[in-house]
Amino acid sequence: DGGITQSPKYLFRKEGQNVTLSCEQNLNHDAMYWYRQDPGQGLRLIYYSQIVNDFQKGDIAEGYSVSREKKESFPLTVTSAQKNPTAFYLCASSFEANYGYTFGSGTRLTVV
Amino acid sequence: GENVEQHPSTLSVQEGDSAVIKCTYSDSASNYFPWYKQELGKGPQLIIDIRSNVGEKKDQRIAVTLNKTAKHFSLHITETQPEDSAVYFCAAKRAGNQFYFGTGTSLTVIP
Repeated sequence: DGGITQSPKYLFRKEGQNVTLSCEQNLNHDAMYWYRQDPGQGLRLIYYSQIVNDFQKGDIAEGYSVSREKKESFPLTVTSAQKNPTAFYLCASSFEANYGYTFGSGTRLTVV
Repeated sequence: GENVEQHPSTLSVQEGDSAVIKCTYSDSASNYFPWYKQELGKGPQLIIDIRSNVGEKKDQRIAVTLNKTAKHFSLHITETQPEDSAVYFCAAKRAGNQFYFGTGTSLTVIP
């Protein structure tokens, strides 16, 4: 079945460490996105990529980095520069403009 | 700045009653409005959407209405069932096929 897979589901990180969240899709979607979800807030865009080898900063890109070396994959690295990294992270993909997203099941990151 | 306001933040209804969630947007260029349902611990799932050239769209028990002049759109769920309990998000398209998202409505259907 086609879909978008995020791993791991839960992730714990010590302060000062970088951590990478995986996102893989087999929907043949060109565009992929990373959002952060915090309680009581709407989804906030971290980074997005509309095509392989190209990506742009979203609204809250500071402290995060991404790569898009393959169409299927869009990993997100949460660096030690991110001040409040504890959150639920959602990856999404879309076929083209004016279509909704397909979301992954999310990764809950906790800084300990 | 541009955003989407969503109300109410929580909503409880008796099973079989209707539920209505309202969103207001500010970006006059928005022309596509999806609604997502998010169950606990899962990612949001697209349940219905509407484009700016129509005023209403219905899919079984779910309907969405759009008032472009007033810049608001609403989700209507009729004959609610316990499995409708979830968090619902509205969204309005912005440039680059990105979206402004509402802050979510936690719907509880009481059996």
